Amino acid sequence: GENVEQHPSTLSVQEGDSAVIKCTYSDSASNYFPWYKQELGKRPQLIIDIRSNVGEKKDQRIAVTLNKTAKHFSLHITETQPEDSAVYFCACTNAGKSTFGDGTTLTVKP
Amino acid sequence: EAGVVQSPRYKIIEKKQPVAFWCNPISGHNTLYWYRQNLGQGPELLIRYENEEAVDDSQLPKDRFSAERLKGVDSTLKIQPAELGDSAVYLCASSSRGPQYEQYFGPGTRLTVT
Repeated sequence: GENVEQHPSTLSVQEGDSAVIKCTYSDSASNYFPWYKQELGKRPQLIIDIRSNVGEKKDQRIAVTLNKTAKHFSLHITETQPEDSAVYFCACTNAGKSTFGDGTTLTVKP
Repeated sequence: EAGVVQSPRYKIIEKKQPVAFWCNPISGHNTLYWYRQNLGQGPELLIRYENEEAVDDSQLPKDRFSAERLKGVDSTLKIQPAELGDSAVYLCASSSRGPQYEQYFGPGTRLTVT
């Protein structure tokens, strides 16, 4: 089955700096790559997603890049704010099944 | 629009006892998922339904776990008997257009088995 590795497991940045989280996957047939944000005690919520026919997608301060050849994709958050502090999960979907990474705890220090 | 509803939010039981979780997906969402999330890990798929049909239950421990989705709307997940290792958050999610699109998660049920 699919194997997803997410790095780093924790990330601390100063407010205003950029944050980058990377995920690698094993199954080249995966074709949908969402990113979810989970605040403490709350449910995961989609923040951005990308499909295998696109290399990059941007939504305001958030962007995702996909390298299908290398089988990795990354979440980029620019101009970080304290409210960006949360756990971020990547996921890969193949044949209807989503496999999640183990999450990155992002802390944005004011 | 109401989100995915789950109950109970918290459950504490002794090992070997049964437990059941309930999920009401967003209206009109045909795809329903049950996930288990252990502390410090991402959600792990247990079962996926398309309407009332379980299309992927390969990771459901069928010796003690069971699930149903009668009439293709609400769903229940049951554990009988519970073991200490079952302590986790059980998340329900739904999607309107299948696994290749956004999943909307419920608040989860935090199960503690003592």
